Parts: sequence; C-alpha cells; structure tokens
Amino acid sequence: SQTIHQWPATLVQPVGSPLSLECTVEGTSNPNLYWYRQAAGRGLQLLFYSVGIGQISSEVPQNLSASRPQDRQFILSSKKLLLSDSGFYLCAWSSHRGLGWGESGYTFGSGTRLTVV
Amino acid sequence: KNEVEQSPQNLTAQEGEFITINCSYSVGISALHWLQQHPGGGIVSLFMLSSGKKKHGRLIATINIQEKHSSLHITASHPRDSAVYICAALYGNKLVFGAGTILRVKS
Repeated sequence: SQTIHQWPATLVQPVGSPLSLECTVEGTSNPNLYWYRQAAGRGLQLLFYSVGIGQISSEVPQNLSASRPQDRQFILSSKKLLLSDSGFYLCAWSSHRGLGWGESGYTFGSGTRLTVV
Repeated sequence: KNEVEQSPQNLTAQEGEFITINCSYSVGISALHWLQQHPGGGIVSLFMLSSGKKKHGRLIATINIQEKHSSLHITASHPRDSAVYICAALYGNKLVFGAGTILRVKS
C-alpha cells in the first residue's frame, strides 16, 4: 500500500537558521509531489510541486526552495529562516497517470508545524 | 482564478446538533476533497467527491456540479468532532484549499 512519511512533526528554529523538511513516499513510483503551507488563520497554499526527479515548479515566490533528489523524496529547504516562514507545512502526493473525472488520488502527510523564533 | 470559498469560518454547536459546512468553487474542477485537521495539525482525508453523495458513519458529503457547491454534514455531532474542516478542489492536477471551518462541539 502507498504511504507518505513527513518529518519532523514539530520544529522550533531561530531566525536566520537553515531549514530542511523531508517527505518520502512508499508503494508507488513516479508520483506527483507537493509542498503546501498553512499560515495562521489562512488556508493551505501550494508552494511547490514536482512531476519528476529534478523537476520543481514554484507557485509562490518566497524564502524557500524545494528539491527532488530521488523519485519518491521531496525536500523543502531554506538557507535562512524568517519569522514569516512560521506555519504548518504539508506534503502530499498524487498519481502521475492521467486523472479522469472523480479521480484524485491525493494522499497527505501528517504535516510539520514550524515555529520560527 | 481558481478559488474555493468555505462557510462558515467558525461554527459552535451543542452536542447532538446537525451541522452543515458549505464550500463553493469555480468551474473546471475534476474532484473535491473534504479534509479534517485535528488540533495537532494532522490532516485526514474524509471524502473525495465528483458527483452525488457519499456517507461514512455520521458524516455525509454532497456535491452539486451545476451549482458548483458542496456540503459536509455531521449528524448527531459530538465533542470529538471538534476540528477544522477543509474543502479542497482539484483544478487539473493541483488542489486549491478553502480557508477551513473551525468547528467546536460543546457537551
């Protein structure tokens, strides 16, 4: 069965420190991978998505970057965290095959709550 | 622009009440999700809909394609139902999320 692992669950980091959040998928190959962020009081917003190794699309300009070094690994990074980077980060994957009506196949990680102090 | 609007933003109910949360979206979606976010932040997928109605226990989700509207109903609500409920519409291969409805069920 397909599973998605995201860690850590919570993280407190000082301003200016680097960040690395990792997400891995099991039980499928060539998934579409996504990073979302939920700022306080707001809905989840798509940050990055990837359709294959080394292929990253950015939806929102920000202080973050993403990388996909392996087929089932998606990493969210920052060289220097800002206070505004605090929030809830969620990784998700979906099937790479064509989606027909009613097909979604999205599976969500458990999320990482990041607090920048 | 692909948007998802949810209402109400906050909802407080007494235990046992019937609860409805609404979600409106733009044209061109291929599916709609209802998600539950627990106080610790973890997200659980409740339903994925493309038409009609789905039911799981005390939860019912409906979608009206013509009206571009979906509802999540909770029957016989219980304090353990307290959470944030989020609808998300699938536009192409990307999910667009509503802002969420914070539900609190009091005993």
